[in-house]
Amino acid sequence: RKEVEQDPGPFNVPEGATVAFNCTYSNSASQSFFWYRQDCRKEPKLLMSVYSSGNEDGRFTAQLNRASQYISLLIRDSKLSDSATYLCVVFRGSYIPTFGRGTSLIVHP
Amino acid sequence: DAGVTQSPTHLIKTRGQQVTLRCSPKSGHDTVSWYQQALGQGPQFIFQYYEEEERQRGNFPDRFSGHQFPNYSSELNVNALLLGDSALYLCASSLAGGGDSPLHFGNGTRLTVT
Repeated sequence: RKEVEQDPGPFNVPEGATVAFNCTYSNSASQSFFWYRQDCRKEPKLLMSVYSSGNEDGRFTAQLNRASQYISLLIRDSKLSDSATYLCVVFRGSYIPTFGRGTSLIVHP
Repeated sequence: DAGVTQSPTHLIKTRGQQVTLRCSPKSGHDTVSWYQQALGQGPQFIFQYYEEEERQRGNFPDRFSGHQFPNYSSELNVNALLLGDSALYLCASSLAGGGDSPLHFGNGTRLTVT
């Protein structure tokens, strides 16, 4: 089993839709969790951190479920500009990040 | 405020050759990590440098080595190149806080091995 798993998609949704991605991790000792966004042929950029209490930033909500070992990202009112690959990142210990392979989102008019 | 810069942007090498990639961290950052990203995959952690020492290493062979300079910039060296080394190589800088410190990535170096 891979350490961090994501459904690669693509998720094809119309503008205005709500879409959610999950990311599962296998190491129960994982400590820090993040979502990064990567546009085609560009570098990853931090989207948001993920906390046990949940984290909301505008249309984006991230949550962590330690019992079931997954993190989620919810995007409300999707925009065309949200089209990208969303990477989950799990830190094992303080310094070793493991990236998922990413989930591709395509928002169409 | 300069972000993370990497050079070169593109590189073509032949099997068996050696390559050096360079990275300058974001201003104020002291930690540099390197990643290999194959097409359709997420970045894979190669290693991290802090205070000019390799602090952590991922599952990469010894052909992959690095260095960090006193000004925090870093190099990634790959010896005896294989076709499978063709990928996007990303450098990220952060503060020394470890996992809680967000990663800031450079634009990457696209390496093609023929």
